[in-house]
Amino acid sequence: SAVISQKPSRDICQRGTSLTIQCQVDSQVTMMFWYRQQPGQSLTLIATANQGSEATYESGFVIDKFPISRPNLTFSTLTVSNMSPEDSSIYLCSVEGTSDNYEQYFGPGTRLTVT
Amino acid sequence: AQKVTQAQTEISVVEKEDVTLDCVYETRDTTYYLFWYKQPPSGELVFLIRRNSFDEQNEISGRYSWNFQKSTSSFNFTITASQVVDSAVYFCALSEGLTGGGNKLTFGTGTQLKVEL
Repeated sequence: SAVISQKPSRDICQRGTSLTIQCQVDSQVTMMFWYRQQPGQSLTLIATANQGSEATYESGFVIDKFPISRPNLTFSTLTVSNMSPEDSSIYLCSVEGTSDNYEQYFGPGTRLTVT
Repeated sequence: AQKVTQAQTEISVVEKEDVTLDCVYETRDTTYYLFWYKQPPSGELVFLIRRNSFDEQNEISGRYSWNFQKSTSSFNFTITASQVVDSAVYFCALSEGLTGGGNKLTFGTGTQLKVEL
């Protein structure tokens, strides 16, 4: 299994500001995913980040609001831009296993509160 | 479109009772993967199991067991002799079975399990 870390683990931010969340994996992976979990809700996929190409966003999520970087095979960032209280959520990154093992592992999450 | 339904929003049991968490899925894919995750109050998502659509064998891991039935599109999860530490939200999820990866997960709404003394 992959070991995934995220920074920060939690933050309290003011509306109108931006926060960049980092995701680091202990091994090289092709695909990284960013999910959002709003309070008391399930997880929703924001985007898929493939190294060397633009991230692919799901319906309802746009690059201007959630820009993603994927500079190498072990690292990705998600920025939550121009935040509002509705952005208060847990943001999780995940990675997919190798081609013979499609297990998906999640980072510990970043708990974001926007005031 | 893929869909996962976890009809049980919350279940409360007394320690040592057995409990089954239901999961029903919808997909048009012939190859797909099913997952269960545990999310304790700390918030991290703990991987429990992955099952591919061609493997209908039930699986047992300690006190955990899974019953996969394609005929009813169900992938139920049973905890035997529940313990307080099992208290968490449990998510069932479904992904495509694309070769080459990039399989996005569709999650159910989760079942909150409370195990009391």
